[in-house]
Amino acid sequence: EPEVTQTPSHQVTQMGQEVILRCVPISNHLYFYWYRQILGQKVEFLVSFYNNEISEKSEIFDDQFSVERPDGSNFTLKIRSTKLEDSAMYFCASTPSGRAVSGANVLTFGAGSRLTVL
Amino acid sequence: RKEVEQDPGPFNVPEGATVAFNCTYSNSASQSFFWYRQDCRKEPKLLMSVYSSGNEDGRFTAQLNRASQYISLLIRDSKLSDSATYLCVVNPRQAGTALIFGKGTTLSVSS
Repeated sequence: EPEVTQTPSHQVTQMGQEVILRCVPISNHLYFYWYRQILGQKVEFLVSFYNNEISEKSEIFDDQFSVERPDGSNFTLKIRSTKLEDSAMYFCASTPSGRAVSGANVLTFGAGSRLTVL
Repeated sequence: RKEVEQDPGPFNVPEGATVAFNCTYSNSASQSFFWYRQDCRKEPKLLMSVYSSGNEDGRFTAQLNRASQYISLLIRDSKLSDSATYLCVVNPRQAGTALIFGKGTTLSVSS
């Protein structure tokens, strides 16, 4: 079964450091996403990405965050200067096509990258 | 009112029991609805999409009531492997890409 692959599985960093989380979406999928989940909290949308540009972003996705598709397979999330409150599990996801996530266009998540900011 | 609200549980049931989870959503224009399952410290995995007419997948039945803005999930003949957190998820906009997640309802099935 095709899957979304994320690296690293766990990263520990010092406050103020830059972090890049990497994702390889399912190969024929067109829309890519980042979500995060702070421990014990709900899953929260960060950003969606299509055709090499941001499609939608939440208020969490401020200037400290950026996304990029540097080549044909990778999709990255960069946090420029990490804060303690950035500690969370970050999930990459993708959908096959179309803009709206629906029953015919379901979201598939990767296993996540756990970020710990000290 | 929270965008997607669920009873956090936990629901502790014996094997073979039938259990029902409820979810309410605040945006009446919401278009798509899902139940995801999340095991501890794992990624959410799609359990089933929820359609207006209601739908069933084996032991799982999902219902949608648009008038009441209410979604339900029924699990029959619970298995130990059903123990997980069940997330109610809503796409609030017709062309929306941002899913809204509930905090989840925890189910523990014991032998």
